[in-house]
Parts: sequence; structure tokens; C-alpha cells
Amino acid sequence: EDKVVQSPLSLVVHEGDTVTLNCSYEVTNFRSLLWYKQEKKAPTFLFMLTSSGIEKKSGRLSSILDKKELSSILNITATQTGDSAIYLCAGGSNAGNNRKLIWGLGTSLAVNP
Amino acid sequence: NAGVMQNPRHLVRRRGQEARLRCSPMKGHSHVYWYRQLPEEGLKFMVYLQKENIIDESGMPKERFSAEFPKEGPSILRIQQVVRGDSAAYFCASSPRGDSQSPLHFGNGTRLTVT
Repeated sequence: EDKVVQSPLSLVVHEGDTVTLNCSYEVTNFRSLLWYKQEKKAPTFLFMLTSSGIEKKSGRLSSILDKKELSSILNITATQTGDSAIYLCAGGSNAGNNRKLIWGLGTSLAVNP
Repeated sequence: NAGVMQNPRHLVRRRGQEARLRCSPMKGHSHVYWYRQLPEEGLKFMVYLQKENIIDESGMPKERFSAEFPKEGPSILRIQQVVRGDSAAYFCASSPRGDSQSPLHFGNGTRLTVT
């Protein structure tokens, strides 16, 4: 059965710390790995990764995919209280439809001032 | 460009009543997905629709639940004769295409509470 596992489940850090969130996947006909940030409402899109070893970066956030290890990491440097959220990872297959996204349970990140 | 709009944000229903959840996709998006989220279960796919068509409803219970996406107007997720176990956050997402290369854009969700 396809699955996506995220770790840790929750994390508490201080402002300024750097964090690494992990996502491992077992997805048949894997095609893409997506990261979303969910605060109190809508998950918002962060990154889509399809190629191994190519880092995607947006400000203090970056992510990379390792197809050999079937995993991805999301790094956040110089964390701020506004980074507090649940970070969701989803694996997509090449079955051709978004319905084939398999979601992890998320990592709950709390950044304390 | 308005994002995905869902209403209501909160909905309280008594057991046995009907719940109607609405979703207007982003402009230009013709693919709509409904997800249910419970704290310990994560996001679970329910149904995928294109305009006037249900493409995949494999994640939706066969009884009491139905969805539509008419030619005009929002997509509707309907839950008849609600039970306490239906209490959850229901998210709608849209995309311009139906392939997994096209990221989903989510609405803010409808939190359904069944009393």
C-alpha cells in the first residue's frame, strides 16, 4: 500500500534555529513530491520536486529530493515565529491524476520567540 | 485573482440533518478535489470532479455523501443524515489540470460539527 511518512511528528525550536523536516515515501509509479504549509486554514503550496538532487529554494526554505532513498527534506533556516505551522508532504504518482497524491500526517512545527 | 473559496467556514448540524459545503475553484481551474481532514488521519481524498463530471469518487462513502460540479456555480459536497463521525474539516482544492504535475490550491476549508 502506498504511504508517506513524515518525521518528526512535532518539533519545538527557538527563533533563529535551523530545522530539517523529513518525508519518506512509498508510492507506486512515483512522479513528484510536494510540500505544503498549513497554518490554521488552507494548506499552501511550497515546493514540487520531481528530480533527484536538485534543490528548490524560496527565501529561507529549501527542499531536495533523494529518489534513491525515497525521501525528501525541507529545511528552514533562521526560523521565525511565523514559520509555526504544520508542514505536509505528499507523494504523487504518474497515474495521471492529482487524486493519486498520498499525504503524510504532517510535522507540527512551533517556533518560540 | 481570488483563491479557492469555500463556504461556510463553520457549519453546525444536528444528527440527521443535511450539510451542504460549497467550493468555488480558482479562476481558470476546472478540476476540483474534495478532501477530509481529521487530526490523526491527515488529508484523505474523497472525490475528484471536472465540470459536470465526477471523475473519481473512490474516496467518498457510497451512502449519504454526494458531490457535484455544475456547469455554472460552485462545486457542492452534500452529506445527508449527518452523524457525529462526519465531524471534520472538509477541504476543497482546485487545479488547472488533472495530472500530478499540477499543484493543488486549497480553500480554507469548512469545519463541520455534528451535535
